[in-house]
Amino acid sequence: DAKTTQPTSMDCAEGRAANLPCNHSTISGNEYVYWYRQIHSQGPQYIIHGLKNNETNEMASLIITEDRKSSTLILPHATLRDTAVYYCIVRVSYNTDKLIFGTGTRLQVFP
Amino acid sequence: EPEVTQTPSHQVTQMGQEVILRCVPISNHLYFYWYRQILGQKVEFLVSFYNNEISEKSEIFDDQFSVERPDGSNFTLKIRSTKLEDSAMYFCASYLAVGKPQHFGDGTRLSIL
Repeated sequence: DAKTTQPTSMDCAEGRAANLPCNHSTISGNEYVYWYRQIHSQGPQYIIHGLKNNETNEMASLIITEDRKSSTLILPHATLRDTAVYYCIVRVSYNTDKLIFGTGTRLQVFP
Repeated sequence: EPEVTQTPSHQVTQMGQEVILRCVPISNHLYFYWYRQILGQKVEFLVSFYNNEISEKSEIFDDQFSVERPDGSNFTLKIRSTKLEDSAMYFCASYLAVGKPQHFGDGTRLSIL
């Protein structure tokens, strides 16, 4: 699985959009980009995933660059409850493989 | 929305004792995982389970660990003789089919004294 690089920490004002970047320059053609988050010590929570097209769901949007070497997770209106560690993970879509977690980005949403 | 549930939420055990952590995956899911997270560290893969057998295990998952799906709903992790370094959060995860996301429980905090 390709490695990912994320900033260690970010801040965001409540109500503003939080844009979390992820670099995955060695991603392969059959690898999806997955985003999870972990609030305090709870279990990782699935947010969104995509292959090459931009994706949106009720939680977030995922923007993947055309060359697929990087992506951005967007939380359109961050709330205090979005304070968490966000993990960007690349994973082969047809594989039953485990998720390999890095250290993620610690997002702090402030009032 | 269906959830992965784990019990107990906190388990305190004496070193050397056996412990069983329990998970109820989402009902129609076919693939099952255990992960652990030592305080302040990354989430680490332990083992994956499909079709009633282990499909992959990490170096951490040594002979002291075992997994079982004793019936159609439960998925358990057993540690035979616990060590201090087994103290961690243990997360169960499941997913429906290849290409679908894994969904995690809220974990069991295991404290070894």
